[in-house]
Order: sequence, then C-alpha cells, then structure tokens
Amino acid sequence: DSGVTQTPKHLITATGQRVTLRCSPRSGDLSVYWYQQSLDQGLQFLIQYYNGEERAKGNILERFSAQQFPDLHSELNLSSLELGDSALYFCASSVVEGMIEAFFGQGTRLTVV
Amino acid sequence: GENVEQHLSTLSVQEGDSAVIKCTYSDSASNYFPWYKQELGKRPQLIIDIRSNVGEKKDQRIAVTLNKTAKHFSLHITETQPEDSAVYFCAAPLPGRRALTFGSGTRLQVQP
Repeated sequence: DSGVTQTPKHLITATGQRVTLRCSPRSGDLSVYWYQQSLDQGLQFLIQYYNGEERAKGNILERFSAQQFPDLHSELNLSSLELGDSALYFCASSVVEGMIEAFFGQGTRLTVV
Repeated sequence: GENVEQHLSTLSVQEGDSAVIKCTYSDSASNYFPWYKQELGKRPQLIIDIRSNVGEKKDQRIAVTLNKTAKHFSLHITETQPEDSAVYFCAAPLPGRRALTFGSGTRLQVQP
C-alpha cells in the first residue's frame, strides 16, 4: 500500500458524460500529480498541484480540469467524454515538487462506452 | 524531442540471469532519475532512484547506474526471478522539474 488513495477503482460511463476522479495523497505530501495511461501505453503527465495551487500542466485536454482542496486531496474532472478517454488514471504524491520519491495510487480505470 | 527514451520494448531472460534496461535523456540539467515497476493492472511502484551527484546506487538485487557525460542511466537486476516479470519505466524531470516524464516502458519476461 503506497498510502495514496484513489476512488473509484473502476468507472464505466457513456460518451458525452462527465466524471470526477478523486485522489488523497500520502499523509504529509503536498504535491499531487495526475497521469493518464491508455492501453499498452506509457504514462502521460496531465497536471500537477502543490499545496492547493496548480503548478504544471502537461498534455491535458481542455475538457479535463482538476483542483486540489485545502485538505490536499485532489479531483480530476473529465467532461464530454469520448471513447478515446478510456484509460487508467493515476495520481501520485510527493512531499516536494519534482516527484522526488513519488508514490502512485492504485489508479481509476475509466471505461467510456 | 522526448525528454527520456527507453529503446527496448521487451526483454526476455532466463531465471537467474541478469537484466539491464537502459534509458537516455536529453536535458543535461536533469538531476533525478527514478525507475518504476508496474505489474499488469497495478500501480507503478518506485523501486530505485538516483540523483545526479552519484554514479551508482544499489539495493539488494537491483542497481541503477548513471552516466552524465553520455546522458544515460540503466537499471540492473541480478539473479532474476519470475516475480521480476513486469513493465519497467524509467523517468526524468520534465522542463521546469515539477513533474516527471516517463519512458515508454520495457516489458521484462523472466523465463523459469
């Protein structure tokens, strides 16, 4: 157990819908990162937050947004879902920025039908 | 171009043999290089990392070496076991060093 908690583990939804993925970082970690992993693909960086502030953006679509709350948990919102959005979505957390000694949650598997 | 490249997509070894997976990076200012192991359907797990101020780090059967001049780093696994079978990802800092970019992964198969 990495200490990073993601919910839900699985999500099946229809095209055009909106979903929210949740991540609770390890106790003491201030930085949260979201990654997307499509089938047989690598890990694509989406967005990073540190202590409530957005700090870096990667290949995140405009249909996707995220935020980090005062209690440091983070949510990734995916809207107008398309079949191609089906993937594993991971969050990771670390004490400092830069993903030094970062640990991943177990991921949310999103299936868009 | 990509910040980090992992050229070997699959590697098959016999149980007990050693395995080496290499990655190259492009930013000479990069200072942190972790390796993650991902089993099928599971989360990536940090297995070892190295900072740019050292050339090698070991942890039991695994080690990582860093060649800053050539801008590559390698994961070494000795005495491989079937449970080492997984996809291994190298990573390096993205520009701005706030997050990591990951290599494309190497699937290691340890044949019993």
